[in-house]
Amino acid sequence: AQSVTQLGSHVSVSEGALVLLRCNYSSSVPPYLFWYVQYPNQGLQLLLKYTTGATLVKGINGFEAEFKKSETSFHLTKPSAHMSDAAEYFCAVRRNTGGFKTIFGAGTRLFVKA
Amino acid sequence: ETGVTQSPTHLIKTRGQQVTLRCSSQSGHNTVSWYQQALGQGPQFIFQYYREEENGRGNFPPRFSGLQFPNYSSELNVNALELDDSALYLCASSIEQRTSYTEAFFGQGTRLTVV
Repeated sequence: AQSVTQLGSHVSVSEGALVLLRCNYSSSVPPYLFWYVQYPNQGLQLLLKYTTGATLVKGINGFEAEFKKSETSFHLTKPSAHMSDAAEYFCAVRRNTGGFKTIFGAGTRLFVKA
Repeated sequence: ETGVTQSPTHLIKTRGQQVTLRCSSQSGHNTVSWYQQALGQGPQFIFQYYREEENGRGNFPPRFSGLQFPNYSSELNVNALELDDSALYLCASSIEQRTSYTEAFFGQGTRLTVV
């Protein structure tokens, strides 16, 4: 069964600093992986996705993530944090059996300090 | 904008009542999934409908039920509301085909408060 673990429920960085949000997955088959962002009282917006091919995936707003099969990880990074990046971030894995559902991690709230 | 719209945006119900939440999927999407997101938690999968049939269900009791209509709009019904049902309910639509799919596109959600 697929599952997702996000390490750290809260991450705080200074504006301009590196953002690193950690995600580990478990899957018995090659996974499809996603990062979503959620601003207060809003739905989820897709940041980026990995399906097949290049393991370094670039997304919107300067974010990128690298799929590392050997480490079962899909960490999200951004070289320089901006105040507008403050939000909740969810890592997710797509399940391809028993329905095509997307399973989410518990989320990591990113705080950006001026 | 994802093209997925949910109504209403906010709702207050009394314990024991029934509620219907609605979702209009993005044009051309044949699959809709519903999620419950309690405060401070990640979205939890309730169920998914593909071509008007339930196509997977999470760990939710039968009082959570749904429908998908031919125009790919959808409803989530919850009977006998409990206080713990208070949450943000998210609808997501996608295209599922034998050899391809799209990622899930989410609506803005319906905030349900049970008092």
